[in-house]
Amino acid sequence: DQQVKQNSPSLSVQEGRISILNCDYTNSMFDYFLWYKKYPAEGPTFLISISSIKDKNEDGRFTVFLNKSAKHLSLHIVPSQPGDSAVYFCAASSHGSGNTGKLIFGQGTTLQVKP
Amino acid sequence: NAGVTQTPKFRVLKTGQSMTLLCAQDMNHEYMYWYRQDPGMGLRLIHYSVGEGTTAKGEVPDGYNVSRLKKQNFLLGLESAAPSQTSVYFCASSYPGQGLSGNTIYFGEGSWLTVV
Repeated sequence: DQQVKQNSPSLSVQEGRISILNCDYTNSMFDYFLWYKKYPAEGPTFLISISSIKDKNEDGRFTVFLNKSAKHLSLHIVPSQPGDSAVYFCAASSHGSGNTGKLIFGQGTTLQVKP
Repeated sequence: NAGVTQTPKFRVLKTGQSMTLLCAQDMNHEYMYWYRQDPGMGLRLIHYSVGEGTTAKGEVPDGYNVSRLKKQNFLLGLESAAPSQTSVYFCASSYPGQGLSGNTIYFGEGSWLTVV
């Protein structure tokens, strides 16, 4: 039972254009969402996060949008750069009782930004 | 500025052999995790620990054991390796989340394990 889903395995965009990566979740107890970026042969690195009390969070070229009613979040990268080419993972967590901090990850989307 | 360090980086095992992956963090984090990454499956939580001396099962714990004898170390053991355990293993650590800020976890660089 995949609680966090990234239905697009890959995405290709032109340099300078917008990249939109999508993520859906099923567990309504999730209240904190993150995006991680991963280059080959490296560990994932934190990119941006959003709490369920917000619907948007922005950090430079990266913006995450959260639609709680649709259980959907998206990551926008504007403008996209070749160095953004990587695998992007969506992740979610729930404070709930006994907050353990564990994250549930989606399958990942491979972004390719073409020069 | 080590952060989360995993050893070994690469290992080839024969079916039935045992081994231990070591994770060390120097950020004084309370929480530590072991994930595995497989194609099309994303990152799946194997085991985790919320403090020294504590461990708990994650999404895919079967075939693995863990120990957290020291706050800075989290060991992942394979008692009898199987080809299905061929994967990339990532250790991670974090502070407990505060309020609604949640947890940002920090990953090591990964350990590539092949079981033949």
